[in-house]
Amino acid sequence: AQTVTQSQPEMSVQEAETVTLSCTYDTSESNYYLFWYKQPPSRQMILVIRQEAYKQQNATENRFSVNFQKAAKSFSLKISDSQLGDTAMYFCASPRAGGGADGLTFGKGTHLIIQP
Amino acid sequence: GAGVSQTPSNKVTEKGKYVELRCDPISGHTALYWYRQSLGQGPEFLIYFQGTGAADDSGLPNDRFFAVRPEGSVSTLKIQRTERGDSAVYLCASSPTSGDYNEQFFGPGTRLTVL
Repeated sequence: AQTVTQSQPEMSVQEAETVTLSCTYDTSESNYYLFWYKQPPSRQMILVIRQEAYKQQNATENRFSVNFQKAAKSFSLKISDSQLGDTAMYFCASPRAGGGADGLTFGKGTHLIIQP
Repeated sequence: GAGVSQTPSNKVTEKGKYVELRCDPISGHTALYWYRQSLGQGPEFLIYFQGTGAADDSGLPNDRFFAVRPEGSVSTLKIQRTERGDSAVYLCASSPTSGDYNEQFFGPGTRLTVL
């Protein structure tokens, strides 16, 4: 079974600081995508960033970037210049299984709090 | 355009009752997923549809849970003889096609409380 581990249940930083959320995963696939989703109190999951395992270059979306270490199966999310609106639960996700199976396996999440 | 919608947003029921949770995916999306999110946990996969058929229902916890998507659009998750342990947020997501690379667009979820 695929597993995704987020070891930081909660993090708190000051506005404008940089914060890194960690994630490790387990997969037997050679090519796959990894995802970070944000879930604000409204419950609606929103895709933050996506990384293809075959790509050497780390994905970047504005203030969000990843540090993808394929050999270590590590996929951390870096948020630069954090804003109050970044306060939310953040979930790391990997494909649920290979062989054509679909759907995602999620970690337990990290509750990120941005302090004014 | 309109996103994924789910109704009701909240449902309170008594132990032993039957409930239906509805998901309206983004128009044209052929893949549809149901997840269950218990308190303090990440979403857990329940079932996945490609078109009208359930391509993978291996995440359904037991035979009290069933889901349909008769016309390849709206889906209904049905829970019979509800138990207190079924209390959770049920999330629906859709995607243009199947495949691990696709972004899944989530609805706001239905919070189910079984008393």
